Amino acid sequence: DAKTTQPNSMESNEEEPVHLPCNHSTISGTDYIHWYRQLPSQGPEYVIHGLTSNVNNRMASLAIAEDRKSSTLILHRATLRDAAVYYCILRVLNQAGTALIFGKGTTLSVSS
Amino acid sequence: EPEVTQTPSHQVTQMGQEVILRCVPISNHLYFYWYRQILGQKVEFLVSFYNNEISEKSEIFDDQFSVERPDGSNFTLKIRSTKLEDSAMYFCASSLRGTEQYFGPGTRLTVT
Repeated sequence: DAKTTQPNSMESNEEEPVHLPCNHSTISGTDYIHWYRQLPSQGPEYVIHGLTSNVNNRMASLAIAEDRKSSTLILHRATLRDAAVYYCILRVLNQAGTALIFGKGTTLSVSS
Repeated sequence: EPEVTQTPSHQVTQMGQEVILRCVPISNHLYFYWYRQILGQKVEFLVSFYNNEISEKSEIFDDQFSVERPDGSNFTLKIRSTKLEDSAMYFCASSLRGTEQYFGPGTRLTVT
């Protein structure tokens, strides 16, 4: 599996945008970039995924670099509820149903 | 919104006993997974299940573990003879197309 690198922790203030970076310099052409998050004492939660183009959904936006060696998860207005561990995970396109390999992720703290 | 449910929320068992953890995936989903998270550590993949058979398993998923989909709604994880090191939070997940996975709230297993 291609490896991802994320900062251990980040801090944000409520109602400000948050940009969570992920480096994946060994990404292959069939790897999708997935983001999950885990709120305290809860199971992981799907956030967003993409291949090449930037993606938006109701939770967040995913900005993917042109060379695909890095990506950024953008929370447009952080709330206290967004305090969680955020995981950037690569998954091969044609391996539907295969495992998510979680790293340590980025622990996001949000202050009021 | 449909969600994955898991029972029980907390299971305490003695070393050497068998336990069955139960999950009800989202009703039209086709891919099913078990993960675990030892306190303070990463989320670890155990097994994936599709079309009534295991599609992938990790090294953790040895002969002491088994999974079953006994009917159209339940998905179970059995640990035949529990060890102290099996104490963890166990998460079930399901997916419609094998892309984004939706996780349950987890079962905390405590082996004494």
